[in-house]
Amino acid sequence: GQQVMQIPQYQHVQEGEDFTTYCNSSTTLSNIQWYKQRPGGHPVFLIQLVKSGEVKKQKRLTFQFGEAKKNSSLHITATQTTDVGTYFCAGRLVFGNEKLTFGTGTRLTIIP
Amino acid sequence: EAQVTQNPRYLITVTGKKLTVTCSQNMNHEYMSWYRQDPGLGLRQIYYSMNVEVTDKGDVPEGYKVSRKEKRNFPLILESPSPNQTSLYFCASRREREVVYEQYFGPGTRLTVT
Repeated sequence: GQQVMQIPQYQHVQEGEDFTTYCNSSTTLSNIQWYKQRPGGHPVFLIQLVKSGEVKKQKRLTFQFGEAKKNSSLHITATQTTDVGTYFCAGRLVFGNEKLTFGTGTRLTIIP
Repeated sequence: EAQVTQNPRYLITVTGKKLTVTCSQNMNHEYMSWYRQDPGLGLRQIYYSMNVEVTDKGDVPEGYKVSRKEKRNFPLILESPSPNQTSLYFCASRREREVVYEQYFGPGTRLTVT
């Protein structure tokens, strides 16, 4: 079954509000990636986190990797209409195994 | 332009009629993979290939076949499609020995099996 879970499944926010999606794995991850998929589009790579406790920023987006390397989060500050889409985390569950397991995704909609 | 291409983009077929979805990348990537995307289930890996003639099962390989005879191509074969294979399919590729395992996705193939 699915070993990487994401919450929430859906999130509606007013433009300008913040947004956070959480990713949780039942097992330790060697690294985690985040992707964004616009409506009708394909997933596009955003970032990869590798180290325990790592925090990376891309403009209004902040990515965190948990200390135990079992969870991660993506936080968007002051959302804009261009942020609309589904955000996926993807983790490598077993170190050295090439399989990448995707989370179920969080669909973000923005209310103008 | 660096890209992953898939064909066809849309396909409606009937149960049992063999079909092939092609995938090609022009980035000389060693690693290629197929995913299916279904509502509420995210992206699930079907098969992946780490190089020519090297393929392995992902999480949901039943009912699918793949081959990797050339580095750039990784076709997905449905020998006898069934309605539960109705889905959105994505091909992806990346370099194998990279610090950042960024995957590049194709535009997707929406398959309907009636």
